[in-house]
Amino acid sequence: DQQVKQNSPSLSVQEGRISILNCDYTNSMFDYFLWYKKYPAEGPTFLISISSIKDKNEDGRFTVFLNKSAKHLSLHIVPSQPGDSAVYFCAAGVDSRDDKIIFGKGTRLHILP
Amino acid sequence: EPEVTQTPSHQVTQMGQEVILRCVPISNHLYFYWYRQILGQKVEFLVSFYNNEISEKSEIFDDQFSVERPDGSNFTLKIRSTKLEDSAMYFCASSKEYNSPLHFGNGTRLTVT
Repeated sequence: DQQVKQNSPSLSVQEGRISILNCDYTNSMFDYFLWYKKYPAEGPTFLISISSIKDKNEDGRFTVFLNKSAKHLSLHIVPSQPGDSAVYFCAAGVDSRDDKIIFGKGTRLHILP
Repeated sequence: EPEVTQTPSHQVTQMGQEVILRCVPISNHLYFYWYRQILGQKVEFLVSFYNNEISEKSEIFDDQFSVERPDGSNFTLKIRSTKLEDSAMYFCASSKEYNSPLHFGNGTRLTVT
């Protein structure tokens, strides 16, 4: 039962361009969403989050967009840098009920020189 | 910056043996978690722990699994009788507040032979 789906296992983007990572969810109870970044041999690192009361949250080069009606969120990275090459996990949770979050399978982002 | 530390980084064990994976969460964090990632699959929630008891567990976390906070700093995951399918990367995480972003350790790679 994949409640959080990242349908692109990998993505390649030219350095300096915009990287767009997509995520879909099925559970309409989810009301907060997070993106984690993972380098090889390291644990996931929190990147940015968004609550369902907002449709956009920005932090430096990273912006997360939430479309509740489509149950879709995306992470935009602009401009993309070589250090952004990593696996990006979308995650979702229910703020008022659970203290766990559900992860997607991840998208491997390659930034090309 | 404070980190979640996990030991060992790699554990090899024979099927049927007991293993204990160790974690030292960030010192002022109150919520503790174990997640696992089977090779090529998504990061899966196992269990959350707060106030010296399990607050939530997934269906993966059956009777062969247990968690403990034996002192003020360590948080352990015990697998009583390991199976081949327990081979995975096990991540410990902690958070300061309920539903605040998780801080992950670098993981313990468990290989069951």
